[in-house]
Amino acid sequence: IVLTQAPATLSLSPGESATLSCRASQNIGFNLAWYQQRPGQAPRLLIHDASVRATGVPARFSGSRSETEFTLTISSLQSEDFAVYYCQQWINFGQGTRLDLK
Amino acid sequence: QVQLQESGPGLVKPSQTLSLRCSVSGGSIDAGEYYWTWIRQPPGKGLEWIGYIYYSGTTYYNPSLQSQVSISVDTSTNVFSLDLRSVTAADTATYFCARGAYTNFEGSLHYSMDVWGKGTTVTVSS
Repeated sequence: IVLTQAPATLSLSPGESATLSCRASQNIGFNLAWYQQRPGQAPRLLIHDASVRATGVPARFSGSRSETEFTLTISSLQSEDFAVYYCQQWINFGQGTRLDLK
Repeated sequence: QVQLQESGPGLVKPSQTLSLRCSVSGGSIDAGEYYWTWIRQPPGKGLEWIGYIYYSGTTYYNPSLQSQVSISVDTSTNVFSLDLRSVTAADTATYFCARGAYTNFEGSLHYSMDVWGKGTTVTVSS
């Protein structure tokens, strides 16, 4: 299974909303997780089972699925949200989307 | 809460074995619910899943690395370890240990990693 993330880079301003995409090469049901990785830090689990927020994750992070297309939405971006985001299914990771400050 | 900490040499010579340890604190490695996992990230690149071990010793490795990797566990010291044999410059990376778990979602088992160590950087060079 190949996970393709888009866009590679997204430039937005604080307060805006971000929409990140992860497309699976075949049907994986709801078997997808999202991680945030800030510079110099380890990844942090945000979402599992496509739409379930992990413990302690703010409500501005939400995940959804439409067949093989998965979306991570971050509403009202905060300064700490500018990072790289990865999707994951089983042992496979997407290549990441970098969310940059505009 | 559970914390993980990687340790090991920062420099390994080509063709040698890279050996890393992950110490688990704040919880028992043999609690039975978790799969103790290694992931790596080459400089400036994405994440690569290496493999995991269950407290009983059952392992699963990434097929792309299977011939090169061994993961072991010591429940008496709450440590699990990674050995990567015959390393080359391509094995230069930050290595993370993590706690993996399966969730049962509508009858389907889904795997994700909810606790991570800070990572340790390993350079392969002579």
